[in-house]
Amino acid sequence: DSGVTQTPKHLITATGQRVTLRCSPRSGDLSVYWYQQSLDQGLQFLIQYYNGEERAKGNILERFSAQQFPDLHSELNLSSLELGDSALYFCASSVAGRAKTQYFGPGTRLLVL
Amino acid sequence: GQNIDQPTEMTATEGAIVQINCTYQTSGFNGLFWYQQHAGEAPTFLSYNVLDGLEEKGRFSSFLSRSKGYSYLLLKELQMKDSASYLCAVSNQAGTALIFGKGTTLSVSS
Repeated sequence: DSGVTQTPKHLITATGQRVTLRCSPRSGDLSVYWYQQSLDQGLQFLIQYYNGEERAKGNILERFSAQQFPDLHSELNLSSLELGDSALYFCASSVAGRAKTQYFGPGTRLLVL
Repeated sequence: GQNIDQPTEMTATEGAIVQINCTYQTSGFNGLFWYQQHAGEAPTFLSYNVLDGLEEKGRFSSFLSRSKGYSYLLLKELQMKDSASYLCAVSNQAGTALIFGKGTTLSVSS
């Protein structure tokens, strides 16, 4: 158990819908990272927040957005969902803003039908 | 940009030693990581190298050569539970994210 929690574990929804994935980092960690993992693409970095502020962006679509709240939990919002958005979404956390060791949560498996 | 290459699949037998190689090209380097991921589960941290040389941690060791853009993960005394995907990742130039390779699926048989 890494200490990072994610909810929900599974999510099934339809195309065009919007979902919110939630992540709580390890106690004391200020950075939260979001990754998408699909079979053909591997683990892809989406976005990072550090102490409430966006720090870095990766391959995140405009339909996706995220935020980190004062209590340091983070939410990833996915809208206008498409079949291709079906994937595992992982959240990771680290102590600092620079990517030293990241600890991953159990992930949310999203299925878009 | 950054590019990471590692073999797609490897097989080995229980008790053996296996070496998983990783080559990378990066415009900036802030360290190389190895993670283990069992199917459908979260990646778990194995090792971190930022300087050249060998880091040993129990049955697992990781080596880095920055001049060659090369790393390997060495797994000794293989066990069935070591069957998993092994992900090589480098820290991006800004040090704000990890760029992962597609992973090497290791199958350990008895």
